[in-house]
Amino acid sequence: EDQVTQSPEALRLQEGESSSLNCSYTVSGLRGLFWYRQDPGKGPEFLFTLYSAGEEKEKERLKATLTKKESFLHITAPKPEDSATYLCAVQAANTGNQFYFGTGTSLTVIP
Amino acid sequence: NAGVMQNPRHLVRRRGQEARLRCSPMKGHSHVYWYRQLPEEGLKFMVYLQKENIIDESGMPKERFSAEFPKEGPSILRIQQVVRGDSAAYFCASFSFAGTSVTDTQYFGPGTRLTVL
Repeated sequence: EDQVTQSPEALRLQEGESSSLNCSYTVSGLRGLFWYRQDPGKGPEFLFTLYSAGEEKEKERLKATLTKKESFLHITAPKPEDSATYLCAVQAANTGNQFYFGTGTSLTVIP
Repeated sequence: NAGVMQNPRHLVRRRGQEARLRCSPMKGHSHVYWYRQLPEEGLKFMVYLQKENIIDESGMPKERFSAEFPKEGPSILRIQQVVRGDSAAYFCASFSFAGTSVTDTQYFGPGTRLTVL
């Protein structure tokens, strides 16, 4: 069964303290892996799409990487405004219509 | 995601009433997904539609729930005879379909928070 597991569930960082969020997945052929940011009471906001192992993408303080079994979202020198829930989703080749979401990592950055 | 519009943003219904949730996709997008999100849970796929066609409804309960995406107008998720367990945030996401492959990136709306009393 296709699954997505994110860890940790919650993460508290001091401002400037870099860290990584993990997304482990098991799918029958990965078509794409997606990272979203979700603020309380709002819809998920698209961050990155990764398609193949070894691929990396960056946006400001965020960098997403992909291996055959997991993806990492690296946050460098985070700021309080980076506080949010970060969601990972995968699209499987054999069930291309469906996107499977993890339960997210709730990040809090303390000033 | 400001381009995807959902309304109402908040909806309160009593048990047994009907709930209608509307989603207008981004301009140029002809495909939408509906998801349900419960507290402490991930987004759960419900249904995938293109205009005038339901492509995949395998995530939607067979009873009381229906969805449509007419040629003109928004996509509608309809929940009949609501129960307290239907209380959740419902999100729609839209994307464009190019040729034989989906461009994959979904853009989400702000969601509708349904509360069933």
